[in-house]
Amino acid sequence: EVQLVESGGGLVQPGGSLRLSCAASGFTFSSYSMNWVRQAPGKGLEWVSYISSSSSTIYYADSVKGRFTISRDNAKNSLYLQMNSLRAEDTAVYYCARFEVGVGAPLDYWGQGTLVTVSS
Amino acid sequence: SYVLTQPPSVSVAPGKTARITCGGNNIGSKSVHWYQQKPGQAPVLVIYYDSDRPSGIPERFSGSNSGNTATLTISRVEAGDEADYYCQVWDSSSDHPVVFGGGTKLTVL
Repeated sequence: EVQLVESGGGLVQPGGSLRLSCAASGFTFSSYSMNWVRQAPGKGLEWVSYISSSSSTIYYADSVKGRFTISRDNAKNSLYLQMNSLRAEDTAVYYCARFEVGVGAPLDYWGQGTLVTVSS
Repeated sequence: SYVLTQPPSVSVAPGKTARITCGGNNIGSKSVHWYQQKPGQAPVLVIYYDSDRPSGIPERFSGSNSGNTATLTISRVEAGDEADYYCQVWDSSSDHPVVFGGGTKLTVL
């Protein structure tokens, strides 16, 4: 059974840092591209970042570029999101999501999400 | 960057058909995926590659995509279908390739 389990969320002050993790199981993690998607309270889904299976290709939304860093450790079946210089508008539930294999593929599995709250 | 436009809300009576649209420039040339999200839950894929259904998704859910509009159709709507629905595409010409629509709240009257 495919499982994605996020962790690392919590309350952080503006300007602070947080590192999110996503533990993957039930599939060959190293074969799949992964994403972080967030959802602010009462708002829609916002794509945050993409990383290819080998980490050779990385993309970021403009809203987080230069502040967030996506990475993965295929040996540990884990995806990460290092978040620096956090702002109030980064407050959201953060989901990791797997891309099915193939160009233009869907996000076929999602984690349950971890809540990040940026507030003083 | 590519933009997907959805109506904020759609209302339908039980047993009727709901249609949720997703507009984008020449969206018919892209593969469109649809996600259902119920309150407090993660999104769930309900339609992929315009019209395919994952296992476990009822046949009442169907999709189409042509021209500048993709459509998610839910037939014989049930109370349990009440949720937010999001369309999504991959924009290969952009370095912001994952694009979501703004979401549509489906209300079952």
